[in-house]
Amino acid sequence: GQQLNQSPQSMFIQEGEDVSMNCTSSSIFNTWLWYKQDPGEGPVLLIALYKAGELTSNGRLTAQFGITRKDSFLNISASIPSDVGIYFCAGSQGAQKLVFGQGTRLTINP
Amino acid sequence: EAQVTQNPRYLITVTGKKLTVTCSQNMNHEYMSWYRQDPGLGLRQIYYSMNVEVTDKGDVPEGYKVSRKEKRNFPLILESPSPNQTSLYFCASGQSGAYEQYFGPGTRLTVT
Repeated sequence: GQQLNQSPQSMFIQEGEDVSMNCTSSSIFNTWLWYKQDPGEGPVLLIALYKAGELTSNGRLTAQFGITRKDSFLNISASIPSDVGIYFCAGSQGAQKLVFGQGTRLTINP
Repeated sequence: EAQVTQNPRYLITVTGKKLTVTCSQNMNHEYMSWYRQDPGLGLRQIYYSMNVEVTDKGDVPEGYKVSRKEKRNFPLILESPSPNQTSLYFCASGQSGAYEQYFGPGTRLTVT
């Protein structure tokens, strides 16, 4: 099946630092989404991107839909302890299915 | 409160003993889906349903069955579980297809 390559797999940062992660694919996607999973819970949608080149913010989070439609980026500014968790990118070519990346585990040292 | 519920949350069973994991949503969503989450592999789709009585295979459907007899429920059935089905399972629903999905809390299944 289709695969999304998400990097980095894990990040260890200091509180207050900015975070960047990305997702790439060999296939074109029409929609890119970013989810966050807290320990013991299901993923929660953070940002949805529907147009190539689109840049969307949600508080301290900013995500971009790559112009080639084969990649997406998520940035978190001024990280805080509650940002800890696993971040997943997901891509869709239609309404039927989402393909998920392997996840980026974010750990923050206070 | 809008939510997706799954039961049970934790299950330990033995090889070959049929089991069902229930999923219910109260948001009147037409789209529902099942995923399994394994370390290093992210979430992989098992089955999805675009509407009542309409189901289709995802990327890893082998060993699983589903049914969608009513809009709010989408049970996952393992007819003969095997140890390689030990995983964390998530049900999800969406208003407009797979684009923006709401996930349940997960069911951790162990097959011995």
